[in-house]
Amino acid sequence: QKEVEQNSGPLSVPEGAIASLNCTYSDRGSQSFFWYRQYSGKSPELIMFIYSNGDKEDGRFTAQLNKASQYVSLLIRDSQPSDSATYLCAVYTGGFKTIFGAGTRLFVKA
Amino acid sequence: GAGVSQSPSNKVTEKGKDVELRCDPISGHTALYWYRQSLGQGLEFLIYFQGNSAPDKSGLPSDRFSAERTGGSVSTLTIQRTQQEDSAVYLCASSLGHNTEAFFGQGTRLTVV
Repeated sequence: QKEVEQNSGPLSVPEGAIASLNCTYSDRGSQSFFWYRQYSGKSPELIMFIYSNGDKEDGRFTAQLNKASQYVSLLIRDSQPSDSATYLCAVYTGGFKTIFGAGTRLFVKA
Repeated sequence: GAGVSQSPSNKVTEKGKDVELRCDPISGHTALYWYRQSLGQGLEFLIYFQGNSAPDKSGLPSDRFSAERTGGSVSTLTIQRTQQEDSAVYLCASSLGHNTEAFFGQGTRLTVV
């Protein structure tokens, strides 16, 4: 079992729709959870982080964390073509290092 | 510098040669990571430095790979006797602590021919 798992996609949504990206992790000692966005040919950049169970909202983005289910998700409301990218889930594990998932490719169709 | 700096940005090398990749983290960042990203793939953890602690080398794929971090700042990743499967983008990231946002450099694209 991989430490951090994501559906590779691609996930295709129409412009204006909600995109839902999911991530599961194996280490119950994991403490912090991050979502990075990576445009093609570019380096990842942080868009959201979450430490506590529940929802955290920032503009069009909402991160959701459920530690009991070892599940973290990212919702993108009113998706725009500029949101088309690969979204990487990252987990700071009980092993004291940050592990990335393989990423989910998102396409937002105009 | 303002961000994480990696050099070279591109490196083409012949199979069997050694290569050295450099990472200059953001000043004051104690944590430094090396990741590898093959085309269309996610980030593969290689090695992690945190302050003066012994590095976590658990992600290094073989003994041909090694890394060091001098003076708690600049890091070099060395790949000996390169193989074609080593071709990838090597990304370095640094963060203030072990549990905070990681800032990435632009990566070194390594091509082994």
